Amino acid sequence: DAKTTQPNSMESNEEEPVHLPCNHSTISGTDYIHWYRQLPSQGPEYVIHGLTSNVNNRMASLAIAEDRKSSTLILHRATLRDAAVYYCILRDVTGANNLFFGTGTRLTVIP
Amino acid sequence: DADVTQTPRNRITKTGKRIMLECSQTKGHDRMYWYRQDPGLGLRLIYYSFDVKDINKGEISDGYSVSRQAQAKFSLSLESAIPNQTALYFCATSDHRNTEAFFGQGTRLTVV
Repeated sequence: DAKTTQPNSMESNEEEPVHLPCNHSTISGTDYIHWYRQLPSQGPEYVIHGLTSNVNNRMASLAIAEDRKSSTLILHRATLRDAAVYYCILRDVTGANNLFFGTGTRLTVIP
Repeated sequence: DADVTQTPRNRITKTGKRIMLECSQTKGHDRMYWYRQDPGLGLRLIYYSFDVKDINKGEISDGYSVSRQAQAKFSLSLESAIPNQTALYFCATSDHRNTEAFFGQGTRLTVV
């Protein structure tokens, strides 16, 4: 399974945008880029996913590089409730298609 | 009601005991998963099932077994618990399109 690389931690001030990077240089053509987050004492929750084009939903935006070897999760205005560990995961639509979690990026939001 | 319900939420058991963790989902999904999370680490896949008659090993299946009793129910068993199985366990479900997985709140298991 293709691997992803994320910074261990990041900080952001409340109400400012946050850009969470992810490198996935070995991504294959059938890999979707998924983002999940895990709030303290909770199970992971889905944030967003995409294949090639940038994606927006009510929670966040996903910017995917043209060569697909990196992506960025964008939180437009960080709130204290966004403090969590964010996981960038490649999910192959063929085969077992399981989610393999790395260690993620711990986002701290400063009031 | 939660989409994915895990029971118990917390459990302390002794080394060598058999323990079962249960998971049920109301999403109507075919696929169910069991993950384990150790402190400071991401989740690791233990077992997964794509339908009632399908069981597959994940990354770390040794020491664990599972049973898919129905589409909505997937249980994880530790036949003889050992202290290094102390961890947070998560159940998840997704449909065949695999767009979004839904996770339970987790079961904190301590083996003493």
